[in-house]
Amino acid sequence: GAGVSQSPSNKVTEKGKDVELRCDPISGHTALYWYRQSLGQGLEFLIYFQGNSAPDKSGLPSDRFSAERTGGSVSTLTIQRTQQEDSAVYLCASSLGSLSQRDTQYFGPGTRLTVL
Amino acid sequence: DAKTTQPPSMDCAEGRAANLPCNHSTISGNEYVYWYRQIHSQGPQYIIHGLKNNETNEMASLIITEDRKSSTLILPHATLRDTAVYYCIVRVAIPGSARQLTFGSGTQLTVLP
Repeated sequence: GAGVSQSPSNKVTEKGKDVELRCDPISGHTALYWYRQSLGQGLEFLIYFQGNSAPDKSGLPSDRFSAERTGGSVSTLTIQRTQQEDSAVYLCASSLGSLSQRDTQYFGPGTRLTVL
Repeated sequence: DAKTTQPPSMDCAEGRAANLPCNHSTISGNEYVYWYRQIHSQGPQYIIHGLKNNETNEMASLIITEDRKSSTLILPHATLRDTAVYYCIVRVAIPGSARQLTFGSGTQLTVLP
């Protein structure tokens, strides 16, 4: 079946511009995560959505970052006034969440963001 | 979540079995062992997970020792496309709750032709 998809696959932007990154989770998955991964680094958690509950935003690095999930499916991560340190691969993952005890997360291919 | 220890790198000849070890000596009874891998420039890929019994799927086998303090991921016939960083993660599975993943350094597996 279809996996997690993300768009765009690559995004180059100028410092100070806003960007939007999109994630389409696996159909039926109630949990959705955003992570980022800088070159050669591990995963950095950003935000987590579970069904209709309030999102866990504890990983967002600054108020320039925000995310929404409309209709419990597609999610958009927005970065305002981008900075060079925002350059990274932004990964989205989805899982059955509270529908499953084991909560296996499945990742999308990521969006590579480069801020010039 | 319990801490895991993996060797930083391993080589394996193409067509041979790749055995990737993971130590998790502080694992508790309700923690699962998960394996993910990340091929260069791709998102992490789920491989397999288990609690205490050995598990097998189309990708790999997971062998967990009886005391659960270590495990081995086995790729039975490694191919060049299996070259990736392999992450062993131990985490609690809480019914009704989902939590973010934390990857350690992992093992860089290089499959040699």
